[in-house]
Amino acid sequence: AQRVTQPEKLLSVFKGAPVELKCNYSYSGSPELFWYVQYSRQRLQLLLRHISRESIKGFTADLNKGETSFHLKKPFAQEEDSAMYYCALSFPNTGNQFYFGTGTSLTVIP
Amino acid sequence: DTGVSQDPRHKITKRGQNVTFRCDPISEHNRLYWYRQTLGQGPEFLTYFQNEAQLEKSRLLSDRFSAERPKGSFSTLEIQRTEQGDSAMYLCASSRGSGKTQYFGPGTRLLVL
Repeated sequence: AQRVTQPEKLLSVFKGAPVELKCNYSYSGSPELFWYVQYSRQRLQLLLRHISRESIKGFTADLNKGETSFHLKKPFAQEEDSAMYYCALSFPNTGNQFYFGTGTSLTVIP
Repeated sequence: DTGVSQDPRHKITKRGQNVTFRCDPISEHNRLYWYRQTLGQGPEFLTYFQNEAQLEKSRLLSDRFSAERPKGSFSTLEIQRTEQGDSAMYLCASSRGSGKTQYFGPGTRLLVL
């Protein structure tokens, strides 16, 4: 069963424009949600996790349990934000394995 | 570099051959995970270890796949009698306990001809 859905495979925005990468999940409990990012020729790395409630590189993500969403947002996109973004869900009480979405490739146009 | 390392980074093999990949986690991390990523997909969980114990295996892990972490440090993933469908990026990640951030290695890209 698909637990994490990222509806957009590709997303292009102009530099300075707001960006939102969508993530919906299917789970009725209390999972942990993460955003991982993969820049060109680099390894997958954590961008942020919902329990930290922090802003990393200007990105924020709010867990909406009612809509089961965890969208990633940034008010002003920068060229260096161009990367592959993966939303991931984990269940800490069951080994903490991650379920990843299929990813969204973000291109910020200069 | 004290991050997760994987070896080899690339492997080309012929169908039917056996291959083995190695993962060295961050030294103080007791949990180690293996994932597989195919083109256009996100990483898919294969298995994980807590110290030397293999605690969970995905249904994706057929009987041709075996993973070990004999001393609770590095891990190996072996694929026997490789098939073309095994071609993928194999990722390793480690974390310090449950509920903690996973740190990923660079991956091993396998191509089965």
